[in-house]
Amino acid sequence: QSALTQPASVSGSPGQSITFSCTGTNSDLGSYNLVSWYQQHPGKAPKLMIYEVSKRPSGVSNRFSGSKSGNTASLTISGLRAEDEADYYCCSYTSSDTFVVFGGGTKLTVL
Amino acid sequence: QVQLVESGGGVVQPGGSLRLSCAASGFTFSSYGMHWVRQAPGKGLEWVAFVRYDGSKKYYVDSVKGRFTISRDNSKNTVYLQMNSLRVEDTAVYHCAKDITIFGVSGAFDIWGQGTTVTVSS
Repeated sequence: QSALTQPASVSGSPGQSITFSCTGTNSDLGSYNLVSWYQQHPGKAPKLMIYEVSKRPSGVSNRFSGSKSGNTASLTISGLRAEDEADYYCCSYTSSDTFVVFGGGTKLTVL
Repeated sequence: QVQLVESGGGVVQPGGSLRLSCAASGFTFSSYGMHWVRQAPGKGLEWVAFVRYDGSKKYYVDSVKGRFTISRDNSKNTVYLQMNSLRVEDTAVYHCAKDITIFGVSGAFDIWGQGTTVTVSS
């Protein structure tokens, strides 16, 4: 069982907006603004999409945005495209012995 | 260009050992903490270990404590993962990843290697 909780799957149609949720605890999301999000296509290395809750690395589309409220972080993709179909993982620094924890991942299907 | 290249994976019997290497290029390696992250077949990502930019502090996930050791050689721009007493459940693709924060740690990984496969099987 992962330390951060993500829904197993979500789906959406091209052009729609879709939001992924990631739920943690007071030891991670609730205490630190150090949540990041990764996109992973099959057979590829993960790619950083959002860090420190809402910051976008250079080169990442502004269709991707992040936010956090309490123990829950969210990733929103606007203007959904076929190439967005992938697995998405949230990740957080934690004060527990684990140091860094991932969510179990959410598979995005673009209909 | 900025890249990380892992090597050292392979097939090993339970109880065996492997040493993974990750060669970095294109950035000031000695200024950044480095992580190992693994992904078992068909499963999600799991953080494994972290070493500070200067090698002075190291952290591990509970399941590998006492068995795995992370280290780095800043003169060679390389980070290592020594894996002893390997178990079947250690079977995974192992990625090295660079922390995005200079001289610190945020648990955000902006550069990833393609990974090296470790298979533990009798």
